[in-house]
Amino acid sequence: GENVEQHPSTLSVQEGDSAVIKCTYSDSASNYFPWYKQELGKRPQLIIDIRSNVGEKKDQRIAVTLNKTAKHFSLHITETQPEDSAVYFCAASLNSGNTPLVFGKGTRLSVIA
Amino acid sequence: GAGVSQTPSNKVTEKGKYVELRCDPISGHTALYWYRQSLGQGPEFLIYFQGTGAADDSGLPNDRFFAVRPEGSVSTLKIQRTERGDSAVYLCASSPNRLTNEQFFGPGTRLTVL
Repeated sequence: GENVEQHPSTLSVQEGDSAVIKCTYSDSASNYFPWYKQELGKRPQLIIDIRSNVGEKKDQRIAVTLNKTAKHFSLHITETQPEDSAVYFCAASLNSGNTPLVFGKGTRLSVIA
Repeated sequence: GAGVSQTPSNKVTEKGKYVELRCDPISGHTALYWYRQSLGQGPEFLIYFQGTGAADDSGLPNDRFFAVRPEGSVSTLKIQRTERGDSAVYLCASSPNRLTNEQFFGPGTRLTVL
């Protein structure tokens, strides 16, 4: 089955700097890669996703890149703000029909003002 | 509109007891998922429903866990003879249709087994 590895487990950046979180996956059939943000005690919130027919997707300060050959994808946050502090999870699944998401272990991002 | 809701938000029970956790998906969403999240980990898949039927229950850890969705909307996760290792946050998610795998999560139920 699918296995998703996520790095780093913790990340501290100064406000205004960029943050990058990387994930690798094992199943070449996976073609849907969402990212979730989870604040302490809150639900995971879908912030951006990418499908394998594109290599990059951007939404304001957030971007995701996908390299299907290498089986890795990354989340980029630019101009970080204190409210970006949270745990971020990557996930992978098939996009055909409805299938379970396989999550990474998460990255705790701290943005220092 | 209303998001996914889950009740109760917290449940404390004693080892060996039976518990039921409820999920109300977003109205009209056909797919419903249950995940379990332990401290410091990502959510782990338990079971998913397409309509009323369990399409994949491969994530259920053992036969003490069971889930139903009798009318294709609300779902209940049932855990018999709870064990301390069952303590976790149980998350529910729903997805609108077969064309997308976007999943929207509820706030979870924190289960503590003493």
